[in-house]
Amino acid sequence: NAGVTQTPKFQVLKTGQSMTLQCAQDMNHNSMYWYRQDPGMGLRLIYYSASEGTTDKGEVPNGYNVSRLNKREFSLRLESAAPSQTSVYFCASSGRTGDYGYTFGSGTRLTVV
Amino acid sequence: GQQLNQSPQSMFIQEGEDVSMNCTSSSIFNTWLWYKQDPGEGPVLLIALYKAGELTSNGRLTAQFGITRKDSFLNISASIPSDVGIYFCAGQPVYNTDKLIFGTGTRLQVFP
Repeated sequence: NAGVTQTPKFQVLKTGQSMTLQCAQDMNHNSMYWYRQDPGMGLRLIYYSASEGTTDKGEVPNGYNVSRLNKREFSLRLESAAPSQTSVYFCASSGRTGDYGYTFGSGTRLTVV
Repeated sequence: GQQLNQSPQSMFIQEGEDVSMNCTSSSIFNTWLWYKQDPGEGPVLLIALYKAGELTSNGRLTAQFGITRKDSFLNISASIPSDVGIYFCAGQPVYNTDKLIFGTGTRLQVFP
């Protein structure tokens, strides 16, 4: 039971570099989400996808883009990384939008220097 | 964006003690949930609450959906070392049912 798989687990980028965080779920869930976690800030929603083919902005979308490649995969791209994007990124999925049994991945720890 | 006010920020308790934490919002919520995050892992759902006034238990954990629909409480009885972690409240606001808003977290340390 893999659940939600995120890659990579750790990454260090230089300011201005780009990268894509990958997320895949094997639970046939419709909805997928990207959150970032910063100390004292809890989890903040970056983007979400209610179903295959749709994406919407969350609370903190600036500096990010997403792609819902298919039902299983939802990627997060940083086009030009900034130190303010140093954070732990979590991908989550749920059976349908509004189904609160979110399953989270184990996170990607990103440092931008 | 909106965040939920969660308190306390951190707690240091002795094994066997009871723990209480709460979450408040300026807006009305349809659903309240409580998650636990172990070090190096993603959050895991502990309890979900769907009706105002609802009181739900999961083992040593008990959570309540406040009558005003603007708050929720989580109690842990007889704490044990594996209770260590960060506890997050989360809620579905009535103005947007597509997503969850998370609290800032309560970091719990349990000493033997």
